[in-house]
Amino acid sequence: GAGVSQSPSNKVTEKGKDVELRCDPISGHTALYWYRQSLGQGLEFLIYFQGNSAPDKSGLPSDRFSAERTGGSVSTLTIQRTQQEDSAVYLCASSFTGTSKLEREYFGAGTRLSVL
Amino acid sequence: DQQVKQNSPSLSVQEGRISILNCDYTNSMFDYFLWYKKYPAEGPTFLISISSIKDKNEDGRFTVFLNKSAKHLSLHIVPSQPGDSAVYFCAASASGGTSYGKLTFGQGTILTVHP
Repeated sequence: GAGVSQSPSNKVTEKGKDVELRCDPISGHTALYWYRQSLGQGLEFLIYFQGNSAPDKSGLPSDRFSAERTGGSVSTLTIQRTQQEDSAVYLCASSFTGTSKLEREYFGAGTRLSVL
Repeated sequence: DQQVKQNSPSLSVQEGRISILNCDYTNSMFDYFLWYKKYPAEGPTFLISISSIKDKNEDGRFTVFLNKSAKHLSLHIVPSQPGDSAVYFCAASASGGTSYGKLTFGQGTILTVHP
């Protein structure tokens, strides 16, 4: 595709429910990142996938958060037993190889998650 | 701990004047800095970057200045245009490790340029 695609664009859920957020990176990009932006905060790194390497999960805030990337392309971020503090905009980004800090990251428009 | 800080949540500037957005960082391992711009309902888009081996990088109306000793960088936009109105994020990355693209972002500054 032309850019990074995220779905859904908005998600409203009840506390305690599980949610799945999807990211389609730019075709050919091997590196994929998840960030989130809570109200009044900057973007917070969550997880990074690069090729077939083990993902860097150092930013995941709790074990309720997990992510996978199937076939080296599409990624799904899953939040189990959602809490109100999980409400945020979840942003996905991709870059060509993820092996150089000089590479640009291209962001999707994000999924706005609201936990009631 | 907030390793990258943008202490001004908002900035209002008249069209044609200079906009100066500031960013401070605390991690001395950061050696590459970027500015992203974000319009409502869109993802952030890359604007300009600077390596720690430089103290200035210019691209058209946009110039980024880096003061390593003060751990401070700034983005200058001149002349400012109404289309520049957006949220501006400062970001930083560090060498080493394997997550080359792992960026640490500031909270963002909302820039409004009035006609």
